[in-house]
Amino acid sequence: KAGVTQTPRYLIKTRGQQVTLSCSPISGHRSVSWYQQTPGQGLQFLFEYFSETQRNKGNFPGRFSGRQFSNSRSEMNVSTLELGDSALYLCASSTGQVQDEQYFGPGTRLTVT
Amino acid sequence: QQQVKQSPQSLIVQKGGISIINCAYENTAFDYFPWYQQFPGKGPALLIAIRPDVSEKKEGRFTISFNKSAKQFSLHIMDSQPGDSATYFCAASRAGSYQLTFGKGTKLSVIP
Repeated sequence: KAGVTQTPRYLIKTRGQQVTLSCSPISGHRSVSWYQQTPGQGLQFLFEYFSETQRNKGNFPGRFSGRQFSNSRSEMNVSTLELGDSALYLCASSTGQVQDEQYFGPGTRLTVT
Repeated sequence: QQQVKQSPQSLIVQKGGISIINCAYENTAFDYFPWYQQFPGKGPALLIAIRPDVSEKKEGRFTISFNKSAKQFSLHIMDSQPGDSATYFCAASRAGSYQLTFGKGTKLSVIP
C-alpha cells in the first residue's frame, strides 16, 4: 500500500498571502488529521476530518481551515499568512475506527517571508 | 498548558545500551499512548502504542512501560543501534478522539 502523500513538499510564501496544502491518505483510510510542527511549540493538532466532516478542531485561529473530499483526500488552507506560520505541516491518516493508529505523511515545509 | 511532559530533551547512548525516555501526563481522560519516531526530513512513524489496561507492551527491541497511578509511561529501546538515532515523541489521546497531544520530543543519539 502506498503511504500518505502530501503536496507540495516545500513552499515559500510571502506574509499576507494564502496557501493550500494537500494530503492523500492511505487507500481505504477515511480519517485525515492535520498537525503543525515547529521547533518551539512541537507538534500541535489542527483538525481532523472523517467522511467529509470535521470531527475535531485544535486551538488555532480561524485563518486555518480545512476540508475533505469524497475520496478522503484533504486540503488545508491558511489565509493571511504570518511569519509565525512557518512550519512543517503534517497530515496523518487512519481508518477512522476510534483511536486506530495514525500514519503520518512526510509533511509540507512552509516558509513565510 | 503542556499536557504531556517528556524527558530528557536529548539523550546520548552507547551502541548496545538501553535508551529510556519518560513521559508524564496530566489529563486522566487520556487512554491511548503511542510513541513515534521521526528522522530528519520525514514525518513521524508510529513505533508502538499502549492502552491503560496493560502495564507493559513489547515489540522487538522496543518496550512501553505504563504506570496508570503515577500517570507516567516510558519507552525503553534495548540494544540501541546507531540507526535508532532519531527524535522520539510520546503522545496521548482521549477516548473517542483522534486528537493526539504530543510531548516535546527527545533527540536520541546512539554512538558506536
